[in-house]
Amino acid sequence: NAGVMQNPRHLVRRRGQEARLRCSPMKGHSHVYWYRQLPEEGLKFMVYLQKENIIDESGMPKERFSAEFPKEGPSILRIQQVVRGDSAAYFCASSPAGQGNHEQYFGPGTRLTVT
Amino acid sequence: GENVGLHLPTLSVQEGDNSIINCAYSNSASDYFIWYKQESGKGPQFIIDIRSNMDKRQGQRVTVLLNKTVKHLSLQIAATQPGDSAVYFCAVNGGGGADGLTFGKGTHLIIQP
Repeated sequence: NAGVMQNPRHLVRRRGQEARLRCSPMKGHSHVYWYRQLPEEGLKFMVYLQKENIIDESGMPKERFSAEFPKEGPSILRIQQVVRGDSAAYFCASSPAGQGNHEQYFGPGTRLTVT
Repeated sequence: GENVGLHLPTLSVQEGDNSIINCAYSNSASDYFIWYKQESGKGPQFIIDIRSNMDKRQGQRVTVLLNKTVKHLSLQIAATQPGDSAVYFCAVNGGGGADGLTFGKGTHLIIQP
């Protein structure tokens, strides 16, 4: 029973390029959360999605960041025109039910480095 | 907004001793609390959770205590082992079904031989 899958594990982008991070939730989970972690910090909630719907994006920067969770395929976190401050570890979590009241299972993360 | 903090950034204990990691939260509406363990280069790993209708819950070698009066959460690890070395985060929800978890900054637990 595979856990939450994220790829790539490491991503290097130059300033101004686009970064696309992918997350496949655990089998049977239809709720996906994205978090960002800076060095020596805790995780910061970004967005919560269900299939084809963004439920809560209160933690997402207003510009350059977007997320989707299509009917088929993985959830995608997209960062356009990356800047150095976007360098961080991005974690995806999934749960069998939503609304923050259930255990969230985390993937291994994607470490984005912007040069 | 939610403020979740830990009292110590680093905790060093001898192998075999018990350890206690503390966490304070600010939102009185929070009703679901989780402890995660994160090893270097990995994602957070679930340890134990507790809902607001309980004040204590035990797992294998771990116990979580919840004091809603003072908004305090603690994780007790019994008979610590080298494999317990990691950063430990408490996480709370927003209460009332609010989406996403709010994480504390983490406590780095160091097990000394």
